[in-house]
Amino acid sequence: AQRVTQPEKLLSVFKGAPVELKCNYSYSGSPELFWYVQYSRQRLQLLLRHISRESIKGFTADLNKGETSFHLKKPFAQEEDSAMYYCALSPLRSGGSNYKLTFGKGTLLTVNP
Amino acid sequence: ETGVTQSPTHLIKTRGQQVTLRCSSQSGHNTVSWYQQALGQGPQFIFQYYREEENGRGNFPPRFSGLQFPNYSSELNVNALELDDSALYLCASSGQQETQYFGPGTRLLVL
Repeated sequence: AQRVTQPEKLLSVFKGAPVELKCNYSYSGSPELFWYVQYSRQRLQLLLRHISRESIKGFTADLNKGETSFHLKKPFAQEEDSAMYYCALSPLRSGGSNYKLTFGKGTLLTVNP
Repeated sequence: ETGVTQSPTHLIKTRGQQVTLRCSSQSGHNTVSWYQQALGQGPQFIFQYYREEENGRGNFPPRFSGLQFPNYSSELNVNALELDDSALYLCASSGQQETQYFGPGTRLLVL
């Protein structure tokens, strides 16, 4: 069975402070990990995926297979980063087919001025 | 390029009724996935359609069914509605790049 755990329902930081949103997963095979973000009154959108190793909007996430974690980090939070963040997992199949996404319950990040 | 659209935006039904939700995939995408998002939860996978065939199903009863049409748009049908079916229903389309692009959702309330 695959499972994604986001231990913090709410996270509040001040502008300019570092932020880390935690994500742990359980999966018996090789997973593909994602972070999705939902800004107020907007649809769910992909922020980043681990296989592309990109930094999007200053966010990075490293897949740690030993600790089964995929924490999202940003060194200096901005007010516009305030949003709901979801960590998600998908089986990594041959050809990289993006099949079923299993989501965590989400973390609501608030960046205060 | 048109994004994923869903209709209707909101819907109110009573227990026992049936509902059909619709999704138009993004141009060039041939795969549609449906998710249920209950209040305070992350989206939960219902099923996926690829080229008009079901391509995987989550832990949902058979009264949740779907269709995909030749133009890759899709429908989600729910029979014998229960109060717990009240949720936001999200559809996502994907293509060769395989990233799933989500629609705005349909909010269903079952009374």
